[in-house]
Amino acid sequence: DAGVTQSPTHLIKTRGQQVTLRCSPKSGHDTVSWYQQALGQGPQFIFQYYEEEERQRGNFPDRFSGHQFPNYSSELNVNALLLGDSALYLCASSLRPRDLETQYFGPGTRLLVL
Amino acid sequence: AQSVTQPDIHITVSEGASLELRCNYSYGATPYLFWYVQSPGQGLQLLLKYFSGDTLVQGIKGFEAEFKRSQSSFTLRKPSVHWSDAAEYFCAVGLFSYSGAGSYQLTFGKGTKLSVIP
Repeated sequence: DAGVTQSPTHLIKTRGQQVTLRCSPKSGHDTVSWYQQALGQGPQFIFQYYEEEERQRGNFPDRFSGHQFPNYSSELNVNALLLGDSALYLCASSLRPRDLETQYFGPGTRLLVL
Repeated sequence: AQSVTQPDIHITVSEGASLELRCNYSYGATPYLFWYVQSPGQGLQLLLKYFSGDTLVQGIKGFEAEFKRSQSSFTLRKPSVHWSDAAEYFCAVGLFSYSGAGSYQLTFGKGTKLSVIP
């Protein structure tokens, strides 16, 4: 049973650039959530996607956007990168309606903005 | 707004000793509660969850947690710690939004780092 996978594992960008992170959910899962984990902090909710639509958004600016594809995989895009965007970005998947509450996390993508 | 507090930033225990990690939450009702573990450079692994019913829940790797409604607490315990348990532990609460098709998000505490002395 394939778990949640994310790519790339590490990424280095410079301020002002744009980045795209990718996530494949756990087999059979249809809902994808993205979280940002800054160093020394707990993860913070960015947004959740279901049926290719953004369903809920946390307190993040419009520079953060996403997409979900028909195969349930998802992308997180961040424009105009700031130094403060350096973090571990975690993707989590879940299954509606049976087990929406339980989110399974991928290993994350570590983004460094210079 | 809901919040999660993990009062201990760092805990050190000897291998074989018992472990207790504290978590308190602020929420208008009893939320869904979770404990996750994160090894260095890794993602989050679900240890256990509480939705309702028996206030003592069992998880993986010998962990258990106790929910106390009166104290808004969800305490993680392990009777005997192994060196491989050294990691960071996060408590989280789940919140539903019932608008549209509905959505769900987790709010995490800042974590407790566990060090294990051989």
